[in-house]
Amino acid sequence: AQSVTQLDSQVPVFEEAPVELRCNYSSSVSVYLFWYVQYPNQGLQLLLKYLSGSTLVKGINGFEAEFNKSQTSFHLRKPSVHISDTAEYFCAVRDEYNFNKFYFGSGTKLNVKP
Amino acid sequence: GAGVSQTPSNKVTEKGKYVELRCDPISGHTALYWYRQSLGQGPEFLIYFQGTGAADDSGLPNDRFFAVRPEGSVSTLKIQRTERGDSAVYLCASARDGGETQYFGPGTRLLVL
Repeated sequence: AQSVTQLDSQVPVFEEAPVELRCNYSSSVSVYLFWYVQYPNQGLQLLLKYLSGSTLVKGINGFEAEFNKSQTSFHLRKPSVHISDTAEYFCAVRDEYNFNKFYFGSGTKLNVKP
Repeated sequence: GAGVSQTPSNKVTEKGKYVELRCDPISGHTALYWYRQSLGQGPEFLIYFQGTGAADDSGLPNDRFFAVRPEGSVSTLKIQRTERGDSAVYLCASARDGGETQYFGPGTRLLVL
């Protein structure tokens, strides 16, 4: 089975600073990769996804992620964060053989301080 | 339009009781997923429906867990003889046929005392 590792359980950062949330996955073939955001008391919302093509993917709210096949990584970045970005972020990968199955990382809590 | 809704939002029950959790997907979405999210963890796949049939139930932890989707829309996750370890947030998501983007509901927080 595939797996997703989010090394940082919590990331504190000051407002307007840049941030990178790390995600590594295990897969031997082509992958579909996703980042979801979960605001307090809300459901998960898709930020961005990589299916194929350009390795730099842009998503909503100014976030972007870069697919790096050699390092099996899909790190999420934002050049300048806002207080409203405080949330939990989940990286996910679609099963390479069973397209209906998705594996999620354990999440990274982004805490943006004023 | 309306998103995915789940009821109840919170459920407290006693060990050994039976519970039902409901999911109302986005209209027209044929794919429906159930996940379990334990404290400090990401969502864990339980079961996937395509239409009325359970296409993949490999994530159900044991035979106390069962889910149905009789008319291809609303789904119910059923847990028999609940155990304290079943305490978690149960998430439902729906997607268009063949779509890789899932739309999640707010979840049902289950607490087994």
